[in-house]
Amino acid sequence: AQTVTQSQPEMSVQEAETVTLSCTYDTSESDYYLFWYKQPPSRQMILVIRQEAYKQQNATENRFSVNFQKAAKSFSLKISDSQLGDAAMYFCAYRGNAGGTSYGKLTFGQGTILTVHP
Amino acid sequence: DAMVIQNPRYQVTQFGKPVTLSCSQTLNHNVMYWYQQKSSQAPKLLFHYYDKDFNNEADTPDNFQSRRPNTSFCFLDIRSPGLGDAAMYLCATSKVGLGMNTEAFFGQGTRLTVV
Repeated sequence: AQTVTQSQPEMSVQEAETVTLSCTYDTSESDYYLFWYKQPPSRQMILVIRQEAYKQQNATENRFSVNFQKAAKSFSLKISDSQLGDAAMYFCAYRGNAGGTSYGKLTFGQGTILTVHP
Repeated sequence: DAMVIQNPRYQVTQFGKPVTLSCSQTLNHNVMYWYQQKSSQAPKLLFHYYDKDFNNEADTPDNFQSRRPNTSFCFLDIRSPGLGDAAMYLCATSKVGLGMNTEAFFGQGTRLTVV
């Protein structure tokens, strides 16, 4: 079974600064996807960024980027130029190869609460 | 604009009284999921439908059932809610298949309170 671990229950950052959220995972699969989801206080889970395991290039979406280290099974999220609206719970999530029986099921980490200070 | 819609947003039910939560989607995705999320915890998958095929997680209590009458709708039935079932219930969808694997899209959730 796959596991996802987020070792930082809470993080804080000053507005306009950079913060990195950590995530490690364990799997025996070679083909999978990794995601960072954001869950603001309104509670709707929103996709921040995705990474396909077969791609060596780290994914980037505007101010959000990842550092994907496949051998180390590490997948951290960097938020640059932090904004007040970035304050939320962030979940790292793993999805196995949907060609098997996983059917796109997500395994989530425990989450990291990010506070942004003005 | 809403793509995955959950109703109601807030539900209060009595201990032991059956309750149904609903989810609809406009994305025409073939897979629909129900997650349970307790306060400040990670969402936990209860079950999912791949088209009409129901897939239960091994540790999902029998108290939880689901129905998917068509592609667009999926229901979560809790037959006899206990205090421990109070949680946020998240519905999600994705399109899964050869060469087509989207990320999961989530609804806003239904917060269930058991009194």
